[in-house]
Amino acid sequence: DQQVKQNSPSLSVQEGRISILNCDYTNSMFDYFLWYKKYPAEGPTFLISISSIKDKNEDGRFTVFLNKSAKHLSLHIVPSQPGDSAVYFCAASGYGKLTFGTGTRLTIIP
Amino acid sequence: GAVVSQHPSWVICKSGTSVKIECRSLDFQATTMFWYRQFPKQSLMLMATSNEGSKATYEQGVEKDKFLINHASLTLSTLTVTSAHPEDSSFYICSAIWGTDTQYFGPGTRLTVL
Repeated sequence: DQQVKQNSPSLSVQEGRISILNCDYTNSMFDYFLWYKKYPAEGPTFLISISSIKDKNEDGRFTVFLNKSAKHLSLHIVPSQPGDSAVYFCAASGYGKLTFGTGTRLTIIP
Repeated sequence: GAVVSQHPSWVICKSGTSVKIECRSLDFQATTMFWYRQFPKQSLMLMATSNEGSKATYEQGVEKDKFLINHASLTLSTLTVTSAHPEDSSFYICSAIWGTDTQYFGPGTRLTVL
């Protein structure tokens, strides 16, 4: 039972354009959501998070949107840069544990 | 920000031997650390929650006698894979909470069992 889903395994975006990564969850008990970036053979790097009481959080080029009624969150990266190419995981926190999505591989095309 | 280290970064061992992986929080104290496992092209799967001074809490399906976790201090947790077999080959990642609910991850340890 996949409680956190990233339905797009891969995404390609032109450099300078906006990258939008999506994530859906099923458990309404999740109260905190995070996005991580991961390179092969490395641990995930924290990018940005959002509490369930908010619907938007912005940090530089990264913005996370949360739609609680739809149980959906998205990560916007603008402008996209070549260094953003990586696998992005969304994660949901509940009862002190993180549940990860399956990841989306983002490729930024120069 | 919070820094978490792991040692070793990669290890190759023979089937039947035991391997210990260390996870350290370098600039903060972590009462709780987590151990994850990641198979190629799959998501991170939580194996267990490591609590300083008490027994670890294992996720369903994870053998506690095979994956021994010890959280000896506020900055160190260890994962020992006992009697390793080729199917234990994987990427093992630890994390620690710093601040509110944000987990910071170590760089991971790639285990290959021959």
